[in-house]
Amino acid sequence: NAGVTQTPKFQVLKTGQSMTLQCAQDMNHEYMSWYRQDPGMGLRLIHYSVGAGITDQGEVPNGYNVSRSTTEDFPLRLLSAAPSQTSVYFCASSYSRQARNEQYFGPGTRLTVT
Amino acid sequence: AQSVTQLDSHVSVSEGTPVLLRCNYSSSYSPSLFWYVQHPNKGLQLLLKYTSAATLVKGINGFEAEFKKSETSFHLTKPSAHMSDAAEYFCVASERPGGSYIPTFGRGTSLIVHP
Repeated sequence: NAGVTQTPKFQVLKTGQSMTLQCAQDMNHEYMSWYRQDPGMGLRLIHYSVGAGITDQGEVPNGYNVSRSTTEDFPLRLLSAAPSQTSVYFCASSYSRQARNEQYFGPGTRLTVT
Repeated sequence: AQSVTQLDSHVSVSEGTPVLLRCNYSSSYSPSLFWYVQHPNKGLQLLLKYTSAATLVKGINGFEAEFKKSETSFHLTKPSAHMSDAAEYFCVASERPGGSYIPTFGRGTSLIVHP
């Protein structure tokens, strides 16, 4: 199993540009999520999905869109990039929506918005 | 609402000495609790988890944590630090009030290990 994969590893955007961060998992996990990591802030949940066709907002959803058309893929779209979205983004998956299940994390995408 | 407080942003130890990383949580429910480790420029990896079974939980690489409900704590320990333990550690609480599932992360503790 490849686990959770993310592309790209690094990205530089100009303010106002849009882009999609890709996330895929091959473990047939039901639950997937996106986080952003900023220095001294821990990880903050952006959006999550409890199954194909079902998504919901996390703690910091503004400026981001998600969709879940398949179990495997959970892309994150930045609609109009802003410098405040400069961050490291992690995708994670979990066997199910139950709180006791641990999450498996991708290697991250480092995004800089100028 | 749940919250997680990691009491130290940085912990510095010498190789071979004990490690203690402190975590307190606040929750209206009985949460599941996790410790994750993040090595530089890597994703997070599960160290251990508590899910209402045994209160002393053993994890990978010699780490363990004890759930103390009366103190609302879930501190991470290791008897003897190794240079490879130098990393960022995150305490996480998960609960499902009303059917939602939103894990809450602490802000992280950076473990520095001196030779």
